[in-house]
Amino acid sequence: DIQMTQSPSSLSASVGDRVTITCRASQSIDNYLNWYQQKPGRVPKVLIYAASSLQSGVPSRFSGSGSGTDFTLTIGNLQPEDFATYYCQQSYSPPRTFGQGTKVEIK
Amino acid sequence: QVQLVESGGGLVKPGGSLRLSCTASGFDFSDYYMAWIRQAPGKGLEWISYITGTTSTTYYADSVRGRFTISRDNAKKSLYLQMNRLRAEDTALYYCARERAYGDGHSYFYHMDVWGKGTTVTVS
Repeated sequence: DIQMTQSPSSLSASVGDRVTITCRASQSIDNYLNWYQQKPGRVPKVLIYAASSLQSGVPSRFSGSGSGTDFTLTIGNLQPEDFATYYCQQSYSPPRTFGQGTKVEIK
Repeated sequence: QVQLVESGGGLVKPGGSLRLSCTASGFDFSDYYMAWIRQAPGKGLEWISYITGTTSTTYYADSVRGRFTISRDNAKKSLYLQMNRLRAEDTALYYCARERAYGDGHSYFYHMDVWGKGTTVTVS
């Protein structure tokens, strides 16, 4: 199975900051990488698919990059509603494993 | 309105069985792969299984293979998860999700774009 490792596990940031979350796959997954956001008590929501494609309706301050084994989710100009947990997920091969999550907290 | 609604969760003893259902509305159900994902209390997301749209090919996570069975009834626009030999570590909120394919006819990128609100399974 492909293992997905996110870093950091948590971070503190202020409104207006630029935040970067990293996801590393245990083997090459080309660009078969998705990013999800989950707020407390809420259902996960897809932000980015195919490593860099922005899901319809997601603000443009979210962006994704990477290919192969190393990927990045960047949130530019962090907003109050962005404080949440973010998960990467590979869709290269089943099982479609998730990373362990990165919690973005208010500084 | 595109919607998924799960049902069937509850309290069950270790070794017991439970069948979860997920009813879809607002889209052509048979066109989509469907998946089950779970989240243990205070933990991250765990992908469990998916099933293809028409051929009903299935895949499972190692943690549930041989105990859980995913199935679908396209006429009823429903997805199921039969869970047998349940363990305490199966306690979680279980989500069903639609897998949307983005592709060019050669490569398809799947992502879960619609999620239900989940149904809670407690094994104790």
